Amino acid sequence: DVKVTQSSRYLVKRTGEKVFLECVQDMDHENMFWYRQDPGLGLRLIYFSYDVKMKEKGDIPEGYSVSREKKERFSLILESASTNQTSMYLCASSFLGLGQSGGYGYTFGSGTRLTVV
Amino acid sequence: QKEVEQDPGPLSVPEGAIVSLNCTYSNSAFQYFMWYRQYSRKGPELLMYTYSSGNKEDGRFTAQVDKSSKYISLFIRDSQPSDSATYLCAMKIESNYQLIWGAGTKLIIKP
Repeated sequence: DVKVTQSSRYLVKRTGEKVFLECVQDMDHENMFWYRQDPGLGLRLIYFSYDVKMKEKGDIPEGYSVSREKKERFSLILESASTNQTSMYLCASSFLGLGQSGGYGYTFGSGTRLTVV
Repeated sequence: QKEVEQDPGPLSVPEGAIVSLNCTYSNSAFQYFMWYRQYSRKGPELLMYTYSSGNKEDGRFTAQVDKSSKYISLFIRDSQPSDSATYLCAMKIESNYQLIWGAGTKLIIKP
């Protein structure tokens, strides 16, 4: 069963801590994405990567960075956690050629619910 | 104005009813249209997809795209309590692999 695995389901961190969220996919997908999901705001793209060591800013990159050293792993880093970063974080992956031949969908992990206190 | 608008609900209907979920969009370049289902405390999963206009049916689910009106719909027939979830629409243009998301509609099917 192919999947995207996020390292933690629940995390509680203190303000100012550096936080690492890990995501691993076993589908040989080129694209990987980090979203946060908040009530009423839907999914908001933080960063994405279409290849190893490549990264692109999404809609809300401030306060975050990412790392993709291997194709299957995409890490999200909160440099100095703040309370407004309390959220559900979702990792997703997809084929590069998303479309009729490449498949339509993103595959999501189960999410990490991060609370910053 | 958001590129994709979706009523957040909640939408509450009795078991067995026909459910209609909708999204409107503003970018006429969108060509791929998808519906994702998200259960509580889980990530979204792809439910239906459609390329360009038309209908697509899969069991109790039907996806419709009306590009002239910039409007997409997901119909659920014979709704079940297990259909209770948040339904997100998503769409993309031909040359881009990024999806543009609706905010999601929370659906509650009452037994």
